[in-house]
Amino acid sequence: NAGVMQNPRHLVRRRGQEARLRCSPMKGHSHVYWYRQLPEEGLKFMVYLQKENIIDESGMPKERFSAEFPKEGPSILRIQQVVRGDSAAYFCASSQAAHGTAYGYTFGSGTRLTVV
Amino acid sequence: AQKITQTQPGMFVQEKEAVTLDCTYDTSDPSYGLFWYKQPSSGEMIFLIYQGSYDQQNATEGRYSLNFQKARKSANLVISASQLGDSAMYFCAMREGQGSNDYKLSFGAGTTVTVRA
Repeated sequence: NAGVMQNPRHLVRRRGQEARLRCSPMKGHSHVYWYRQLPEEGLKFMVYLQKENIIDESGMPKERFSAEFPKEGPSILRIQQVVRGDSAAYFCASSQAAHGTAYGYTFGSGTRLTVV
Repeated sequence: AQKITQTQPGMFVQEKEAVTLDCTYDTSDPSYGLFWYKQPSSGEMIFLIYQGSYDQQNATEGRYSLNFQKARKSANLVISASQLGDSAMYFCAMREGQGSNDYKLSFGAGTTVTVRA
């Protein structure tokens, strides 16, 4: 049973380019969460999605960031016109139920975005 | 205000010794869950242990135990018999509430543990 798959593992973008980060949840999981980890910090919640729905995007920057979880295919976190401050590790987690379980969430290995 | 505070940025421990990582939390919700995650240098987040606010006993998972002191709002992680592979960053996290609103985790800044041979 494959875990949460994120790709790419590392992504380098020049300032002004677009970054697309992909997350395939665990089999049977229909809830996806994105977190961002800035250097030397803990993870911070960005967005919670269910299939075709954004449930909570309170942690997303208002501009340039968007997320989707289509009926088919992985969840995508999209960052337009990247800036140096977007350099971070982006983690995806998935769960089977709408609310958390005692065993936390299964996180993917993350995508490390570097903006040059 | 910080919901999770980890005051130890870095710690050194001798192989085979025990180490305690501090975590204090701040919430007014009576229902919450506390987690510890390990992040090795490879970067992935590995779930270690969970403690629910209503759990009567301290959680244990192998060499990991959670020293839960509810009145003091602390949830320290104890790693016994440290191994070289325990060298990593450790994060304390909290989920508040219950039901459909309790999906959000708040993380501390982390503690780096280095195990010496």
